[in-house]
Amino acid sequence: KNEVEQSPQNLTAQEGEFITINCSYSVGISALHWLQQHPGGGIVSLFMLSSGKKKHGRLIATINIQEKHSSLHITASHPRDSAVYICAVDSNTGNQFYFGTGTSLTVIP
Amino acid sequence: KAGVTQTPRYLIKTRGQQVTLSCSPISGHRSVSWYQQTPGQGLQFLFEYFSETQRNKGNFPGRFSGRQFSNSRSEMNVSTLELGDSALYLCASSPSPYQETQYFGPGTRLLVL
Repeated sequence: KNEVEQSPQNLTAQEGEFITINCSYSVGISALHWLQQHPGGGIVSLFMLSSGKKKHGRLIATINIQEKHSSLHITASHPRDSAVYICAVDSNTGNQFYFGTGTSLTVIP
Repeated sequence: KAGVTQTPRYLIKTRGQQVTLSCSPISGHRSVSWYQQTPGQGLQFLFEYFSETQRNKGNFPGRFSGRQFSNSRSEMNVSTLELGDSALYLCASSPSPYQETQYFGPGTRLLVL
């Protein structure tokens, strides 16, 4: 059983489309992270959330603590957004860090 | 500020050997975490260090160990390498371990033959 589930696993979109990636988790958390990984391996932290909503440019992340669910939205998607998006949680029991399997996004011009 | 640096970037070893990987955090960051990424298992948490003390450890065998120095630089060691240890090893740093954004290094790609 995975502590963090992401959907969809793969996503192809046309440039300009609105994109949503979902993340559900089953453990108690102190924070949830959205990460972006480009080919070659480099990982960039996009958001860290413990409640509510955060926005950075065209990216929006929301979290519902009661429902144990988070979403990452990309507005006006662009080919440079093509990457793997990974949801990760800081568990507040056992101080473990769990990762989702990632969503591979391809944005076509 | 310089980002997180990891050395070496690429490494080839044979089964049974041991390897040491190094991570230099962003200046002023005192928390360093290590992760393993493989195609089959994805990203998995290895351990976290803060102020030279291991705070947390993931579900990995004792062959995987680490340490942190007084300047916050960290090393991880894998002894008696197995083929399955081939992976991308990532480290990340943050100012403290308490609900902070983590900054990832470029990773060390280890191939075990």
